[in-house]
Amino acid sequence: DTGVSQDPRHKITKRGQNVTFRCDPISEHNRLYWYRQTLGQGPEFLTYFQNEAQLEKSRLLSDRFSAERPKGSFSTLEIQRTEQGDSAMYLCASSASGTGVGNTIYFGEGSWLTVV
Amino acid sequence: ILNVEQSPQSLHVQEGDSTNFTCSFPSSNFYALHWYRWETAKSPEALFVMTLNGDEKKKGRISATLNTKEGYSYLYIKGSQPEDSATYLCALPLANDMRFGAGTRLTVKP
Repeated sequence: DTGVSQDPRHKITKRGQNVTFRCDPISEHNRLYWYRQTLGQGPEFLTYFQNEAQLEKSRLLSDRFSAERPKGSFSTLEIQRTEQGDSAMYLCASSASGTGVGNTIYFGEGSWLTVV
Repeated sequence: ILNVEQSPQSLHVQEGDSTNFTCSFPSSNFYALHWYRWETAKSPEALFVMTLNGDEKKKGRISATLNTKEGYSYLYIKGSQPEDSATYLCALPLANDMRFGAGTRLTVKP
């Protein structure tokens, strides 16, 4: 399977702990996106990378959140000092060339985070 | 702020029923609209990309129409099957990301 893969699929952590999620995009895609989805809502944009450059961050991405894509391939999303409000599904997606007409973004299966 | 609204929020139908649901969006500055199907424990799957007013796209029993002047798209499922049970999301592309609606959760009962 050469789709977008995310790890771990599920994470339960205690409030105050740090967590890190990994995303491996489709290999030839230069754009990588992180979204967050909570119950009853659609996916909300967090940030995106073009190659290794992080070009946009949502205001949802507080200073406890950091994302990297060091070599323009896989990406990590770290949440420091987790809070219960961080409980959500974190979705990674990739695309060949952005969200223009005819360009589809392809999603991974998501990483569920539960903060207890 | 670009608001993408979907209705209904959830829908329960019997196997064999046909159904439809709506995605509404601001008609100004329309660029494109994407429909995704998201089955539980799987990744969202792209269904359609629609760009032109009056567009109609079809994939098997699923079809979609687009009205950019009044700002809505309909998704139709003919003869629903249990495997159609999923959340259906619509999204509008922005400069660098997609703005999603909250989705319509469809449950098809055998």
